[in-house]
Amino acid sequence: GENVEQHPSTLSVQEGDSAVIKCTYSDSASNYFPWYKQELGKGPQLIIDIRSNVGEKKDQRIAVTLNKTAKHFSLHITETQPEDSAVYFCAASFFGNEKLTFGTGTRLTIIP
Amino acid sequence: DAEITQSPRHKITETGRQVTLACHQTWNHNNMFWYRQDLGHGLRLIHYSYGVQDTNKGEVSDGYSVSRSNTEDLPLTLESAASSQTSVYFCASSGGEAGYPEAFFGQGTRLTVV
Repeated sequence: GENVEQHPSTLSVQEGDSAVIKCTYSDSASNYFPWYKQELGKGPQLIIDIRSNVGEKKDQRIAVTLNKTAKHFSLHITETQPEDSAVYFCAASFFGNEKLTFGTGTRLTIIP
Repeated sequence: DAEITQSPRHKITETGRQVTLACHQTWNHNNMFWYRQDLGHGLRLIHYSYGVQDTNKGEVSDGYSVSRSNTEDLPLTLESAASSQTSVYFCASSGGEAGYPEAFFGQGTRLTVV
């Protein structure tokens, strides 16, 4: 089955700097790659996703890039703010399989 | 607004007892999932359902069961609770375009087995 690896497990950045979280996946048939943000005491919430026919997608300060050849995708957060502090999960799925396989998560801390 | 709710939010139970965690969604999604979250392991799939009367095992299904009698609910049962099942449990449902499962999660249930 699909295996998703996520790095780093923890990340601390100064407020205003950029943060990058990277994931690799094993199944070349995977075609959908969402990112979830989990705040303390809450369930994960979808923040951005990308499909395999797209190389990059942006939404304000958040962007995701996908390299199908290398089977990795990354989350980029620019101009970080204190409210970006949370645990971030990447995930992958392939067409016809509605299940998501998640990475192990990255705890992002924004230092004021 | 549509939502997905879990109950209880916190539960303490004794080893060997049967426990049922509730999950209710008003999204009218066919797909529903149960995950457990443990430090260092992320979110691991326990069971899932693609519709009424359909249930499937995930990667960590031993000791757990689910049933799907209607679209809205997917209760998770621990047949005989063990300390290894102490965890935070999340229910999710997904919809959207087929093949691109946009999942919505509940707030989680923190289960402690003593």
